[in-house]
Amino acid sequence: DGGITQSPKYLFRKEGQNVTLSCEQNLNHDAMYWYRQDPGQGLRLIYYSQIVNDFQKGDIAEGYSVSREKKESFPLTVTSAQKNPTAFYLCASSIRTGEAFFGQGTRLTVV
Amino acid sequence: AQKVTQAQTEISVVEKEDVTLDCVYETRDTTYYLFWYKQPPSGELVFLIRRNSFDEQNEISGRYSWNFQKSTSSFNFTITASQVVDSAVYFCALRGFYGSGNTGKLIFGQGTTLQVKP
Repeated sequence: DGGITQSPKYLFRKEGQNVTLSCEQNLNHDAMYWYRQDPGQGLRLIYYSQIVNDFQKGDIAEGYSVSREKKESFPLTVTSAQKNPTAFYLCASSIRTGEAFFGQGTRLTVV
Repeated sequence: AQKVTQAQTEISVVEKEDVTLDCVYETRDTTYYLFWYKQPPSGELVFLIRRNSFDEQNEISGRYSWNFQKSTSSFNFTITASQVVDSAVYFCALRGFYGSGNTGKLIFGQGTTLQVKP
């Protein structure tokens, strides 16, 4: 089945640790996106990529890093510099003129 | 700069009432794309509709209809005869054109929580 797979579904991070959230798509989409959603809030753009080996910062990129070495994959690393990482993280992909399709999300909690 | 505003944070209606969710956007792009998504309690976003900036035709799909007005930069969503299953958070989104120096950034409004009571 074609789609977007995010893993893990739940992730716990200790203070000062880096963690990486996985996002894989088999839709042959050029564009991929990472969003953060806090309770009762909208989706805020962290990073996005329109093509392999290129990506741009979104509105809240500080404390996060990404890579786009393959078309299918767009992993997000939450670094220790991100002081308040507890949130719901959503990955999406799209063709450049079409609608975005979303994964099921990763819920990250700092313990 | 791009911006999407959904001024209604929460709406509560009784089943079978009609309800309209407002969306106002800002962009300097002449070509852009507008979207509506539904987010049920499970969290995954479900795509509802896409509208291109050069197509102002309104659309109806069952109980759902969308009104796109470029003159007022609005893309409103109406649910007719609402049902309990319509309860969810609804997001309006905007993507600019990709190319000629534009990045094709996709941004979302704050969302409107719709509660439909039986």
